[in-house]
Amino acid sequence: DAGVTQSPTHLIKTRGQQVTLRCSPISGHKSVSWYQQVLGQGPQFIFQYYEKEERGRGNFPDRFSARQFPNYSSELNVNALLLGDSALYLCASSLVLALDTQYFGPGTRLTVL
Amino acid sequence: QKEVEQNSGPLSVPEGAIASLNCTYSDRGSQSFFWYRQYSGKSPELIMSIYSNGDKEDGRFTAQLNKASQYVSLLIRDSQPSDSATYLCAVTGVITGTASKLTFGTGTRLQVTL
Repeated sequence: DAGVTQSPTHLIKTRGQQVTLRCSPISGHKSVSWYQQVLGQGPQFIFQYYEKEERGRGNFPDRFSARQFPNYSSELNVNALLLGDSALYLCASSLVLALDTQYFGPGTRLTVL
Repeated sequence: QKEVEQNSGPLSVPEGAIASLNCTYSDRGSQSFFWYRQYSGKSPELIMSIYSNGDKEDGRFTAQLNKASQYVSLLIRDSQPSDSATYLCAVTGVITGTASKLTFGTGTRLQVTL
């Protein structure tokens, strides 16, 4: 079975631009979570989606938004990019919700110049 | 106080030795505990999960949980050079009745020397 997939693998943007990152969960998994990992830190929770609804949001500005589609895939959008948004963006899928094990995709490396 | 604390290391152990990685957490309501391994430039890979007090063994890995002390540990027996990576401790906290999030420590870098 395929694991969590993410695209693109790498992305370079300039300040002020907008970016969309994509994620497909493990087959049969209905929940997708997004995390941001900056160098030297652990991943930080951004969003959790389940059945196309936002179920949780971390401490990130409104420039960050996401959505989940009927096939359970998800997109993360970041507007008005800042240099500090440079990070590895991780998508994790889980079977259902609370307390379930989360499995991570390979991540998207975003560099903002 | 950080929600999940780990010693950043590096922790250096010789090949064949036991590596001991430790983690403390602040939220007494935490219910699920995980260890992820992360190689440089890669995404976290699940190593162990533990939900109740005591030990849980899987091959060369043993996770230990003590909820009273708010302490989780990971032992790696017969350490191999391929175990050299950053080990992330993660704790699940319930946000609402239908949502949860993983809270990670900053990770401990393990170096297994020949």
